[in-house]
Amino acid sequence: GENVEQHPSTLSVQEGDSAVIKCTYSDSASNYFPWYKQELGKGPQLIIDIRSNVGEKKDQRIAVTLNKTAKHFSLHITETQPEDSAVYFCAAHNQAGTALIFGKGTTLSVSS
Amino acid sequence: DTAVSQTPKYLVTQMGNDKSIKCEQNLGHDTMYWYKQDSKKFLKIMFSYNNKELIINETVPNRFSPKSPDKAHLNLHINSLELGDSAVYFCASSPLLQGVESSGNTIYFGEGSWLTVV
Repeated sequence: GENVEQHPSTLSVQEGDSAVIKCTYSDSASNYFPWYKQELGKGPQLIIDIRSNVGEKKDQRIAVTLNKTAKHFSLHITETQPEDSAVYFCAAHNQAGTALIFGKGTTLSVSS
Repeated sequence: DTAVSQTPKYLVTQMGNDKSIKCEQNLGHDTMYWYKQDSKKFLKIMFSYNNKELIINETVPNRFSPKSPDKAHLNLHINSLELGDSAVYFCASSPLLQGVESSGNTIYFGEGSWLTVV
């Protein structure tokens, strides 16, 4: 089945720096790659997603890139702020396309 | 006007008990899910339902029994609770099954139910 690997597991940056989180997936048929942010005590919330027909998508300080050949996709956060501190999850479809399979999460800490 | 709401938010119970977690979505979505998040933050799919029909049961012990009385509700009943069942359980919904190509097919999560078995 689909396997999603996510790195790093923890990431600490200074306010204003950029943060990059990388994921790889195993099923070449996967075509939808969302990123979720989970704040302490809350459920995961979608922050950005990308479909296989584009290579990059940007929304203000957040961008996602996709390399289908290499089967990896990345989240880029620029000008990080303390409120960006959270756990970030990448995801891809399972083989049947019936659910999202999540990476193991990256705990991002932004210090001021 | 919470989109995906689940109750209770916190639940502490003894081993061997039976408990239920309720979930409701007011988004008009066809598909609902239960995910389990363990102490290491791993999010794992347990079940998905589409229009009240079971689509996925990801090797979850049969002590866990989901029930979908209508497409807006997906409740989770757990029998004979064990220590290893302690986790956060997230209900979620999406307009369609994930495999369907759709620009609006986002999964929306509830706030989670913290289950502690002692």
